[in-house]
Amino acid sequence: EPEVTQTPSHQVTQMGQEVILRCVPISNHLYFYWYRQILGQKVEFLVSFYNNEISEKSEIFDDQFSVERPDGSNFTLKIRSTKLEDSAMYFCASSDFAGYSNQPQHFGDGTRLSIL
Amino acid sequence: EDKVVQSPLSLVVHEGDTVTLNCSYEVTNFRSLLWYKQEKKAPTFLFMLTSSGIEKKSGRLSSILDKKELFSILNITATQTGDSAVYLCAVMNYGGSQGNLIFGKGTKLSVKP
Repeated sequence: EPEVTQTPSHQVTQMGQEVILRCVPISNHLYFYWYRQILGQKVEFLVSFYNNEISEKSEIFDDQFSVERPDGSNFTLKIRSTKLEDSAMYFCASSDFAGYSNQPQHFGDGTRLSIL
Repeated sequence: EDKVVQSPLSLVVHEGDTVTLNCSYEVTNFRSLLWYKQEKKAPTFLFMLTSSGIEKKSGRLSSILDKKELFSILNITATQTGDSAVYLCAVMNYGGSQGNLIFGKGTKLSVKP
């Protein structure tokens, strides 16, 4: 069964450094998402992406964050200058084009980001 | 503010028991409600519910949505130790051309042999 893959599985970074989290969505999917889950808390929406542009973003997704689809398969989340509070599990998800019907989002295994 | 509330937050049962997990929501632009199972890593998709009163089933799992009372339940019959996981309820809202998901805190289910 096709799946969303994320790399790396764990990233340790010094505060203030830039990090790039990588995702390969399911190949025929057109909608891409990033979520995060701080330890012990809810999964929170960060950003959605379609047709090479951001569709929606949450308040968490400030100027330190950016997303990109650099080629036909990868989808990346960049944090420009990491803060301690960015430590979390970051999930990538993708969903198929739906027209007027809904399609579920499928999640990757996540990248655990630890900021020191 | 949109919110999704799950109950109970944790549950311990024995193999063979039947469990019911609850999810209530207050979301302005409701589109669908989804259930996921999260073991160690990725939330794994279980069900998506859009219409009231239509039960979705997959093996020992079933779920139903009540859009009038704004809740959903997930039932698991004849539980097995492999059902131990965190079960996440999420509501998809109308955000732009596609919906983002608003998650509850999850119900941690532990099934003892």
